[in-house]
Order: sequence, then structure tokens, then C-alpha cells
Amino acid sequence: DAKTTQPNSMESNEEEPVHLPCNHSTISGTDYIHWYRQLPSQGPEYVIHGLTSNVNNRMASLAIAEDRKSSTLILHRATLRDAAVYYCILRDEDSGNTPLVFGKGTRLSVIA
Amino acid sequence: EAQVTQNPRYLITVTGKKLTVTCSQNMNHEYMSWYRQDPGLGLRQIYYSMNVEVTDKGDVPEGYKVSRKEKRNFPLILESPSPNQTSLYFCASSHHGTPSEQYFGPGTRLTVT
Repeated sequence: DAKTTQPNSMESNEEEPVHLPCNHSTISGTDYIHWYRQLPSQGPEYVIHGLTSNVNNRMASLAIAEDRKSSTLILHRATLRDAAVYYCILRDEDSGNTPLVFGKGTRLSVIA
Repeated sequence: EAQVTQNPRYLITVTGKKLTVTCSQNMNHEYMSWYRQDPGLGLRQIYYSMNVEVTDKGDVPEGYKVSRKEKRNFPLILESPSPNQTSLYFCASSHHGTPSEQYFGPGTRLTVT
């Protein structure tokens, strides 16, 4: 799977939007972009995924650059519960159930 | 409620004493896998299973065994645990097919002395 680059940490104020960036300049045409997060003392939790078009769900939005070399996870209103490590993961879905390869992710702190 | 359960959640054991960590899911998922998480190394896959009676090695399978006799269960077996298997273990499941969301269990913290 292609490699992703994320900032080590970010900070946000409560109730403000948060934009978490991810660079994946070597992404291939069959790589989906997945985002997971891991809250303290919990297992990873699925957030969102996309291929080419922007995606929205109840948790977040995913904005994908036109050339697909970068993407941004958007939390519209950060809450204290959103403090977690966020992982951007590329997965070649044509390869079957290949494992999710977790990097170091971005540690998001939310300030009240 | 859709969930992946693991037992035990915490375990302290001694070198060489066989142990099993159970994993069960109630979502009728075909795919199940085990990860371990270590500081500085992130999450790494140990074994996975595409369906009943089908298992395959992940990135770090040494020292572990698995079985998949029923669709809902995927136990992780450490025949002779060693201190380097001290870690946080997660079980995950998903539907087979692409792309699919993986559901993770709450984790099992294992300490081998």
C-alpha cells in the first residue's frame, strides 16, 4: 500500500471546525482513502472512506484533492470526545482483504 | 448492538504458559483479523481469516496460532508466550468485499513476565 504523511499532532478549540490533512503523493488508481481514529484506551474506530469524490457522513467529511495526492478529514464542530489519534490509510481494494496499515497518525487535542 | 468482543480484557501471565484470547463478532462478517499495538510501532497484523476454515499469516505471525471453526469466533492462541509478546491486542472484523469498514474490539492488554 502507498505511504501517507500526516502531521504528528494538531490542536483545536471545542466547537470549532478541524481540518486534518493527509498527503499520499504515490496513491494508485485503485487505492481507497480510509480514515480511522483511536480514542484513548479504545480500539480503532472507522470514520470515513472515499475514492475520488468528496464524502460526508454523520461523523465527518472527507475532501479529496482532484489529483488524489492529498485529502483532508473535516470535523465540523470538534468536541472533547473527538480527542484521539486519527489515521489516514490507503488500501488497494483490488487486492482483496489486505490489512489496514496504520502509520503514526495525527494526535488531535481539543481544548475546552 | 453490532460489536466485536474480546476476552479477557487484561491478562498477566508467565513465560511458557499457554493462553487463548477469544474474539467474537455478531455481524455475520466473513473477514476477521488480529492486530497487536506497540509503542512506536503502531498496529501490526498478526493473522487474518477470510472465512471459516481459511486463515493466513499477517505481518508478525511468529509465536501465534489462530483457528476459525465458526464464522463468529476467531481465537488467538499463544502456545508458549514470551515477554516480547507483551502488547495490546485488537481483534477486528468486516464483510468480505471492497471497500468495507472494519470493526475493532476493545482490546486485550497482555503482560508476559
